[in-house]
Amino acid sequence: SYVLTQPPSVSVAPGKTARITCGGSNIGSKRVHWYQQRPGQAPVLVMSSDTDRPSGIPERFSGSNSGNTATLTISRVEVGDEADYYCQVWDSSRDQQVFGGGTKVTVL
Amino acid sequence: EVQLVESGGDLVQPGRSLRLSCVASGFRIDDYAMHWVRQVPGKGLEWVSGISWHGGNLVYADSVKGRFTISRDNGNNSLYLQMNSLRGEDTALYYCAKDRELGLNDAFDIWGQGTMVTVSS
Repeated sequence: SYVLTQPPSVSVAPGKTARITCGGSNIGSKRVHWYQQRPGQAPVLVMSSDTDRPSGIPERFSGSNSGNTATLTISRVEVGDEADYYCQVWDSSRDQQVFGGGTKVTVL
Repeated sequence: EVQLVESGGDLVQPGRSLRLSCVASGFRIDDYAMHWVRQVPGKGLEWVSGISWHGGNLVYADSVKGRFTISRDNGNNSLYLQMNSLRGEDTALYYCAKDRELGLNDAFDIWGQGTMVTVSS
């Protein structure tokens, strides 16, 4: 089955840039979606199809996808960005959705 | 207000069955695929199952294939998950989620708050 690999944690100071990676075999050929999940809350879509930011998501959030790595970048990080972030793709070879293991972003 | 509300979660013994429901409000589910996603408390997200807009295409995670059945009632704006032969590893918070498109391969743009299923003797 298709595997998505995320770092368990990323730490960043307020005002700096956080980069969350999502690794997968030739992931650049797939559309990658990203979710933010704050403690005790349901996930929220923050980036779709690699680079599309849903309405209401700050411009500080951006995405890229190439080769074997997709990246969610959070610029000018705020305390409110502290959350778990998950990447997701559709595995067309098995007709299954796949989530990465998640990355906990800590704002120092 | 656009929302999804799950129900049906409970404490159930291993080997027993349970049916989860998800009712949508503020939009019609007719035009979208729908999914179930679960999360063990403190752990990551696991996609469970999805159903196309017309119900003709059903897909499942390997971990639940043959035991769980997804269905929908567009007339009642509802999604269901019939869970049979439940195991301890099925214990999780189950979310209902709306696909952005008719098919099954897009992002999930609306999520419910989840319903908890606990499988234990």
